[in-house]
Amino acid sequence: GNSVTQMEGPVTLSEEAFLTINCTYTATGYPSLFWYVQYPGEGLQLLLKATKADDKGSNKGFEATYRKETTSFHLEKGSVQVSDSAVYFCALSRRGYNKLIFGAGTRLAVHP
Amino acid sequence: KAGVTQTPRYLIKTRGQQVTLSCSPISGHRSVSWYQQTPGQGLQFLFEYFSETQRNKGNFPGRFSGRQFSNSRSEMNVSTLELGDSALYLCASRAPRDSGNTIYFGEGSWLTVV
Repeated sequence: GNSVTQMEGPVTLSEEAFLTINCTYTATGYPSLFWYVQYPGEGLQLLLKATKADDKGSNKGFEATYRKETTSFHLEKGSVQVSDSAVYFCALSRRGYNKLIFGAGTRLAVHP
Repeated sequence: KAGVTQTPRYLIKTRGQQVTLSCSPISGHRSVSWYQQTPGQGLQFLFEYFSETQRNKGNFPGRFSGRQFSNSRSEMNVSTLELGDSALYLCASRAPRDSGNTIYFGEGSWLTVV
């Protein structure tokens, strides 16, 4: 079946540190891949997406590249800020389907 | 452009009661889906509606139901509430294919069952 696996958190970093959150997926066909972010007490916000192999999604300094050969979509940011503290969800959707399949989420805490 | 709007934001219900949650999608979006978020199970898909028709359903008991109106607004209903139904219920609307097909979420309705 289709599934998403994320690295377990929490991830604790100092401000300006480099961030990587690993995400791998299992899916039939060629899914679209997403990163969503959830700030405390809020809903989900789309952070970035990629719809085909080798696509790079980017937004607000975050980047992720759709790697078909390793079935991965790792999230990276060169220099995190305290305001990036949130829970990050990797997700996929199969082509033609509007259902999102989410990973368990990774909590990021950034300290000054 | 207004985002996905969900009401109510917070509510407390008693076991055995029923609850109705409402969702107004982004203008122009015809597809609405619902998700349940709990600490134990994470984010799970409930169902999806498009043009007033349910197109996809997750693995939830029949106590969970939904509908969509002609203006694309959607409601979900949970009958005979159980303690385990306490969760954040998220509504999402999908942009049309020619606008990127992206799924946008509302801020959710926090349901507590006591």
